[in-house]
Amino acid sequence: DAMVIQNPRYQVTQFGKPVTLSCSQTLNHNVMYWYQQKSSQAPKLLFHYYDKDFNNEADTPDNFQSRRPNTSFCFLDIRSPGLGDAAMYLCATSGRRDEQFFGPGTRLTVL
Amino acid sequence: DQQVKQNSPSLSVQEGRISILNCDYTNSMFDYFLWYKKYPAEGPTFLISISSIKDKNEDGRFTVFLNKSAKHLSLHIVPSQPGDSAVYFCAASSQGGKLIFGQGTELSVKP
Repeated sequence: DAMVIQNPRYQVTQFGKPVTLSCSQTLNHNVMYWYQQKSSQAPKLLFHYYDKDFNNEADTPDNFQSRRPNTSFCFLDIRSPGLGDAAMYLCATSGRRDEQFFGPGTRLTVL
Repeated sequence: DQQVKQNSPSLSVQEGRISILNCDYTNSMFDYFLWYKKYPAEGPTFLISISSIKDKNEDGRFTVFLNKSAKHLSLHIVPSQPGDSAVYFCAASSQGGKLIFGQGTELSVKP
């Protein structure tokens, strides 16, 4: 089945220790998104790629970076995680207007 | 400034009855609206959508209504089933741009 896969599902890191979350897709979609979702809040878009074109949201902290080496893979790098970065991180893809397909998410814990 | 709002964080409904989930928006440029459903430990999954040129879209037990003058949309589920228990997010976009999500409403359908 075509899908969006996120690894790991749960990630624990220490305050200030860099962490990388990964996302892969078999849908061959040209757009990939990273969202941050904290409890009882709306998913918040961090950035997205349209093919190789990177689009950063204005309020995404510099601490968050992303890489998309090819159509299938996209990575979220958090350079120096703080306690406030603990959240669920959702990857999504889109091949046509508006409808997005989400992965299961990675829950990040920062100790 | 929250452009998409779901004012009810939770809703409890008896099995077999109608569930009505509400969503309000402020941006009159939004022209496409979606509902997503999210189970615990899973990513959101697309449920149903509606374009601003319509006022109703139906898919099986799910119907979305759009009232543009009131900037309000609602999702009706009838009859409600215990498997419908989940968090429901509404989302909106304008001209194929990014999705703006509401905070979600947790629906509980009691047997």
